[in-house]
Amino acid sequence: ETGVTQSPTHLIKTRGQQVTLRCSSQSGHNTVSWYQQALGQGPQFIFQYYREEENGRGNFPPRFSGLQFPNYSSELNVNALELDDSALYLCASSQRGGRETQYFGPGTRLLVL
Amino acid sequence: LAKTTQPISMDSYEGQEVNITCSHNNIATNDYITWYQQFPSQGPRFIIQGYKTKVTNEVASLFIPADRKSSTLSLPRVSLSDTAVYYCLATGSSNTGKLIFGQGTTLQVKP
Repeated sequence: ETGVTQSPTHLIKTRGQQVTLRCSSQSGHNTVSWYQQALGQGPQFIFQYYREEENGRGNFPPRFSGLQFPNYSSELNVNALELDDSALYLCASSQRGGRETQYFGPGTRLLVL
Repeated sequence: LAKTTQPISMDSYEGQEVNITCSHNNIATNDYITWYQQFPSQGPRFIIQGYKTKVTNEVASLFIPADRKSSTLSLPRVSLSDTAVYYCLATGSSNTGKLIFGQGTTLQVKP
């Protein structure tokens, strides 16, 4: 069974730039959720994708957007980067129905300068 | 949405049993209690999940009383590598798939 993978592991961008983060879900899972974790805080829910459509969104502005592909992998896009976007971005996959336990990837560390 | 409350930090020594209690007074009928472990700069790792009574796996035990207003994660004979942040969450239909993380409990295991 393949676990959740994310790429890249680390990224440095400058303010105003755009970034794309990628996530491959665990085999057998059809739902992907994205979280942002600032230093010293718990992860904060950004949004969830199911069947290639956004299925729930947290308190994040529209410049945070995403995609889910037919193979259930997903992308998180952030436009017009701000310094406060510096964080660990986590992807979690789950299977719709039942307990829907979410399994996390290793994360992408984004630094905005 | 069900909110959970747990201690901010705990200290223990190698070889001891550690019990971390979580309060969830407003847990929904269909929600489960799920615990994650997180090391610095890594993604949270699923530890254990339960609905009521006791659940045990190779890593931990989870005790949930009949009223389900609280739960206790038990880590037997901790080692230095168990030093991490532990999160207790109510998961299920009440939050429509969105995990709500609090500050978690930072467990420091000392030699």
